[in-house]
Order: sequence, then structure tokens, then C-alpha cells
Amino acid sequence: DGGITQSPKYLFRKEGQNVTLSCEQNLNHDAMYWYRQDPGQGLRLIYYSQIVNDFQKGDIAEGYSVSREKKESFPLTVTSAQKNPTAFYLCASSPAGAVDEQYFGPGTRLTVT
Amino acid sequence: AQSVAQPEDQVNVAEGNPLTVKCTYSVSGNPYLFWYVQYPNRGLQFLLKYITGDNLVKGSYGFEAEFNKSQTSFHLKKPSALVSDSALYFCAVTRGSTLGRLYFGRGTQLTVWP
Repeated sequence: DGGITQSPKYLFRKEGQNVTLSCEQNLNHDAMYWYRQDPGQGLRLIYYSQIVNDFQKGDIAEGYSVSREKKESFPLTVTSAQKNPTAFYLCASSPAGAVDEQYFGPGTRLTVT
Repeated sequence: AQSVAQPEDQVNVAEGNPLTVKCTYSVSGNPYLFWYVQYPNRGLQFLLKYITGDNLVKGSYGFEAEFNKSQTSFHLKKPSALVSDSALYFCAVTRGSTLGRLYFGRGTQLTVWP
């Protein structure tokens, strides 16, 4: 099956701890994205990457970090500097052209207490 | 700057009736427009897109959307709603120079009553 996997589905952490969310795709897509979803706010872009070893900040990058060492993987680290990390995190990928739709993973719900 | 507005947080319709979910956009240059659907605790699923050509775009599950350049709108429609259409719907816009970066609206919760 081709697609995007995110793990784990639910994640619980104590305040002050860094946590890494996994995102893997086997669609051979060049571009990958991380979004944060909060109720009533739609999707906000955290980071995106158009090619391996390169990535750009989105609208809400503060307190987050990413890496893109392999085409199929784009992990997101939520650091202790993120003021309000509890949210639903969505990873997506696309063939990188503007006309191409993005394919989304099932999401990870992070709860920090 | 690119942006999308979905003026209704909630839309309620009876099963069998037509439904419309509204979207207006702001973008410099030619827009590329998308609709996605999200079921509870799931990722987004692509429904349809407008890139160029015919203003009426047909997509998955019987949905369609009409691009109106003068009104800068891209409303999602379906002639006959199903209870299973109940979900959260997102409109998104981009333009060619942004290389696939999408700007999403806040979403509209559609509820179809049996």
C-alpha cells in the first residue's frame, strides 16, 4: 500500500521534554509538510521541505525543528520552547508542483501536561 | 499574501437536499484552489481542485465546485447530501510561484441530518 504513515497516533509528554513525531511516505514525493491543527483555526504550516537536505519555515516554526535526510522521511521535533504544544499534528507530501494536491497522513495527537 | 475565508463555521442540511459550502480567496495572480475533507481524528482527504479551464470542477463522492473569478469564490456543492457527508471541509489556495505551499481556510463543519 502506498501512503503516508505517522506514528504514534497518540503521544503524551510532560512539559519541558522534547518529543519527535515520525512521518514516512512511500509515494516517492519530493515535497513534505508539517501542519498543526487546533479547533477552529484550520491548518497552520510549521515547516516544509521541497527536496532532501533542505527545508523552510512555515508560519509557526518557533519551538519546532525538522530534518530531511531521506526523501521518504520528515520527522518533526517539538521542543520545550514551544509554548503550547498540545495539538493535532498532520504530515503531508506532494510531488512538489503547485498544481499537485497534497496527501495527508492520519495525524498524531500530542498532549503535553 | 494568499488567504482563504470560509464564512460559515457550520452548515446543516437534511439528507437528500442540496448542499453548499462557501469559500472565497485572495491571491495575487492566478489561483490554484483545492477542497479537502476531514473525518474525526483523521487526516485530510483530497476532494477536487481547480487549476485552469472549465469553471465547474467535478471531484470525489459526487462533489463539485464552481470557480468564479469575478467573485473570487470556489464554493463546494453536492446535489443530494448524504448523512455520510458529515465531516469538516477545508478550502485551500496556492499560486504557481509558491511551489505547492497551501493556505487553508478555518474549515466548515457540515452536518447532514437523516
